[in-house]
Amino acid sequence: GAVVSQHPSWVICKSGTSVKIECRSLDFQATTMFWYRQFPKQSLMLMATSNEGSKATYEQGVEKDKFLINHASLTLSTLTVTSAHPEDSSFYICSAEQGSGNTIYFGEGSWLTVV
Amino acid sequence: DAKTTQPTSMDCAEGRAANLPCNHSTISGNEYVYWYRQIHSQGPQYIIHGLKNNETNEMASLIITEDRKSSTLILPHATLRDTAVYYCLNTDSWGKLQFGAGTQVVVTP
Repeated sequence: GAVVSQHPSWVICKSGTSVKIECRSLDFQATTMFWYRQFPKQSLMLMATSNEGSKATYEQGVEKDKFLINHASLTLSTLTVTSAHPEDSSFYICSAEQGSGNTIYFGEGSWLTVV
Repeated sequence: DAKTTQPTSMDCAEGRAANLPCNHSTISGNEYVYWYRQIHSQGPQYIIHGLKNNETNEMASLIITEDRKSSTLILPHATLRDTAVYYCLNTDSWGKLQFGAGTQVVVTP
């Protein structure tokens, strides 16, 4: 199947700093990508929809100024967690939609730990 | 919010078929049914999806009822590596996948 890659796989950052996570579709172009967050023993929660060339749309309750999303090309979306706090520590996962039939593939996920 | 309901957990014997049910009674006529699985600490893995007809691929088979209100994912010969949380989903009105709690499948020797 199609490949979606995230980088970094894990990152540790200090409180108050910002961290960027990249999501790439390696073998297809994706006009739409999605960002999820998952806390331990919970299901995935959709955070936002990333649209190439336009602003992201955020789910209710997700702070757009804290979770900055940029989708500058058809193969790359980035999520920047600004002024990170320990409660932002989580597993962040992206997905990308491929073509007709709407098959959606997920990245491997990125573990963020804020200390 | 997720629009599907699944059993919380299911045990399956290695080598036997695993039949995972899912109810999606509010699915719209043009919405696909998707199945993914998530092994601990990894991103969800795509398994299969379908609209009306039954589907089969190298991983599994998907049986969708005629009224499309429910479906069953079949893993024909479960292995220990199939232990995972299995999610049945369809897209919301904006084309987004919203996850429910899924079914924790444990394959035992």
